[in-house]
Amino acid sequence: AQTVTQSQPEMSVQEAETVTLSCTYDTSESDYYLFWYKQPPSRQMILVIRQEAYKQQNATENRFSVNFQKAAKSFSLKISDSQLGDAAMYFCAYRSAEDSNYQLIWGAGTKLIIKP
Amino acid sequence: AAGVIQSPRHLIKEKRETATLKCYPIPRHDTVYWYQQGPGQDPQFLISFYEKMQSDKGSIPDRFSAQQFSDYHSELNMSSLELGDSALYFCASSLTGGNGNTIYFGEGSWLTVV
Repeated sequence: AQTVTQSQPEMSVQEAETVTLSCTYDTSESDYYLFWYKQPPSRQMILVIRQEAYKQQNATENRFSVNFQKAAKSFSLKISDSQLGDAAMYFCAYRSAEDSNYQLIWGAGTKLIIKP
Repeated sequence: AAGVIQSPRHLIKEKRETATLKCYPIPRHDTVYWYQQGPGQDPQFLISFYEKMQSDKGSIPDRFSAQQFSDYHSELNMSSLELGDSALYFCASSLTGGNGNTIYFGEGSWLTVV
């Protein structure tokens, strides 16, 4: 069975600085997707970024980028120029590409605090 | 762009009552999911539908049932409510083969059982 581990329950960063959130996963599959979701205090679940395992290029969305290391089964999220609105719980998630009905496997989340 | 629409956004029910949550997936999405998220927890998968047929079942209590209708909207019915059912309930949808099979979430429905 697949597992996702986020080893940092909480992280804090100064506004405008860069922070990296860690995520590791375990799977025997070769084809899968990885996601970072953001859940602000409103509790809405917002997709931040997506990575296809077959793509070697790291995904980037504006100030958000990932460091995807497939061999190491690592998928970290880097947030550049942190803003107050980035304060949220960040969840790393895994989804199999080998069965389209597979649901997301979630990490426990990392609470990100932005210091003004 | 259209998102997943959930209603109601908030509801308060008493123990042993029944509640129904509604969800309208993103147009053309073929899969709908229901998740339950308790305080300080990650979302727990309840059930999913692919093209209106139940496709996968997670930790959904027997007191809960769900279905997807011909117009693709879905409803989660919760009966004999218990205090422990108080949670945020997400509906989500995805398109098979589209956008890396990304699952998009609605804003959630807050259920409080008193």
